[in-house]
Amino acid sequence: AQSVTQPDIHITVSEGASLELRCNYSYGATPYLFWYVQSPGQGLQLLLKYFSGDTLVQGIKGFEAEFKRSQSSFNLRKPSVHWSDAAEYFCAVDSGGGADGLTFGKGTHLIIQP
Amino acid sequence: EAQVTQNPRYLITVTGKKLTVTCSQNMNHEYMSWYRQDPGLGLRQIYYSMNVEVTDKGDVPEGYKVSRKEKRNFPLILESPSPNQTSLYFCASSFQQGAGYGYTFGSGTRLTVV
Repeated sequence: AQSVTQPDIHITVSEGASLELRCNYSYGATPYLFWYVQSPGQGLQLLLKYFSGDTLVQGIKGFEAEFKRSQSSFNLRKPSVHWSDAAEYFCAVDSGGGADGLTFGKGTHLIIQP
Repeated sequence: EAQVTQNPRYLITVTGKKLTVTCSQNMNHEYMSWYRQDPGLGLRQIYYSMNVEVTDKGDVPEGYKVSRKEKRNFPLILESPSPNQTSLYFCASSFQQGAGYGYTFGSGTRLTVV
């Protein structure tokens, strides 16, 4: 079965600093990979997705992620964070068929320090 | 506007009183799914539906029922709610599961069972 690991439960970053959120997945073939953001009291918003092709994908709000097959990773990055980026971030994998559907990591809570 | 609509947004109920959370999408999506979100556990799939009259269990189906009589609607039914079903629930839809189309999420339903 597919699985997703987000090793960091909480991350604190100063405003204006760079950000990297880690995501590792477990799946035999090349999966479809997603990053979602959830602001307090809100639903889930898609930041970006990887299906195939270029391993560096650009998303909304200045985020990007890089797919590294050799490391089974799909880390999310942003060069300079803003206070409004404080939120919960979820990495998810879609196996491309079968009963697994969309599997989420447990999330990383991002705190922005002034 | 393309969207997934869940109702109600907030619900407080008592143990054992049957309830239904509605979910409707206006995108003609084939695939629909229910998730629950709990602190430290991320989002876990409850049930999913590949198309009309086709439903199946996800990772945490106990205590829940679903139906898919029409393409646009996918209600979540709790026949006899218990306090351990207190959670934040999300409905999601996709044009076709596992084909990389991505998922659209509803705004969530916060359920409290006392």
